[in-house]
Amino acid sequence: GNSVTQMEGPVTLSEEAFLTINCTYTATGYPSLFWYVQYPGEGLQLLLKATKADDKGSNKGFEATYRKETTSFHLEKGSVQVSDSAVYFCALPRISYGGSQGNLIFGKGTKLSVKP
Amino acid sequence: DGGITQSPKYLFRKEGQNVTLSCEQNLNHDAMYWYRQDPGQGLRLIYYSQIVNDFQKGDIAEGYSVSREKKESFPLTVTSAQKNPTAFYLCASSNDRDNSPLHFGNGTRLTVT
Repeated sequence: GNSVTQMEGPVTLSEEAFLTINCTYTATGYPSLFWYVQYPGEGLQLLLKATKADDKGSNKGFEATYRKETTSFHLEKGSVQVSDSAVYFCALPRISYGGSQGNLIFGKGTKLSVKP
Repeated sequence: DGGITQSPKYLFRKEGQNVTLSCEQNLNHDAMYWYRQDPGQGLRLIYYSQIVNDFQKGDIAEGYSVSREKKESFPLTVTSAQKNPTAFYLCASSNDRDNSPLHFGNGTRLTVT
């Protein structure tokens, strides 16, 4: 099956700093890749996704590019805000083909704290 | 609004008691999932169901049981056999027919003492 490795935190940044959270994966073929975000006390929400190699997913100022050469899907944001403080999870399907695309495996999560 | 409802948000039980966590969705999704979240361990799959009256074990099914009698509902029972039941439990659903992403409820925090 597929696997994912995510940079562990916590990460503490000042407002307007640049953010990178690293995510690398091992997979058969080129499954969709996802970033989810979890705000305190809540469930996870889809932040962005990329469905094929070289795609760039983007949402709310966050971006991630599906790079097959380096098997990476790093999350970036040019200028973080206090409201971005949350836990971020990289994810991909457990099985690339033939399985349920909702059956995801998740990285361990990276906690981001942004200070004013 | 469509979504997933988990109840209650906080649950307290004594050791040795079974407890059932509720999960209801009105998204008309076929597949439903239960994940457990512990600090520093990410999310681990307990059980999932791709269709009514059918479900499969995930990575950490021991000490848990589920049922899927209705499309909308996927309750999880934490039995007394689960050695470390205190955790944050997340229910999710998806629709493979349109490749929709996984949708999550807001979770239930279970504390067993």
